[in-house]
Amino acid sequence: DTAVSQTPKYLVTQMGNDKSIKCEQNLGHDTMYWYKQDSKKFLKIMFSYNNKELIINETVPNRFSPKSPDKAHLNLHINSLELGDSAVYFCASSLEDRGTEAFFGQGTRLTVV
Amino acid sequence: GQQVMQIPQYQHVQEGEDFTTYCNSSTTLSNIQWYKQRPGGHPVFLIQLVKSGEVKKQKRLTFQFGEAKKNSSLHITATQTTDVGTYFCAGRSYAGGTSYGKLTFGQGTILTVHP
Repeated sequence: DTAVSQTPKYLVTQMGNDKSIKCEQNLGHDTMYWYKQDSKKFLKIMFSYNNKELIINETVPNRFSPKSPDKAHLNLHINSLELGDSAVYFCASSLEDRGTEAFFGQGTRLTVV
Repeated sequence: GQQVMQIPQYQHVQEGEDFTTYCNSSTTLSNIQWYKQRPGGHPVFLIQLVKSGEVKKQKRLTFQFGEAKKNSSLHITATQTTDVGTYFCAGRSYAGGTSYGKLTFGQGTILTVHP
């Protein structure tokens, strides 16, 4: 069983479109994250949720909106996609937000054309 | 805000040579974690260091946490082609008494190993 699964794995879309990436974890973790990895491999946190509550919201454009229907799911919706949004987006989860390891999903490679 | 700097950005070695990547934080950390990301893969947790001056080993990998808890290093002895990938440090610190500390990743060191 995949611990942290995100879909889709690849997403190619045109500028201006709206798209969603879904993430689910079956580890029973309380905390989930979205990270963006650019072409230089830099991993930057975007959002963090703990038990469905938003606890970290980095300087991310309003076009990005996370949604956590329950603590096992954290989806990422992106409006009006731009070329600069092209990156690999990783979902991750941890048991709690105080120093335990993070488990990452396989990543979603988003390409905006 | 908290910054975690990692050097070098790239390292090319011959198989059998040693490799070290260094991590420095602008603030004192409560703990530091190390992750490895294989090409095309996702980051995978390697280890966590919590105590000042802590040293941990995993086979050919040695991890250190500085006395001031602001720096850390990962040393690989006698690299193998299976060591190829990007190594990230990730530090967590607590600011202003908040309960939740953000895990901030370093820029990563991309290691290539030539057979």
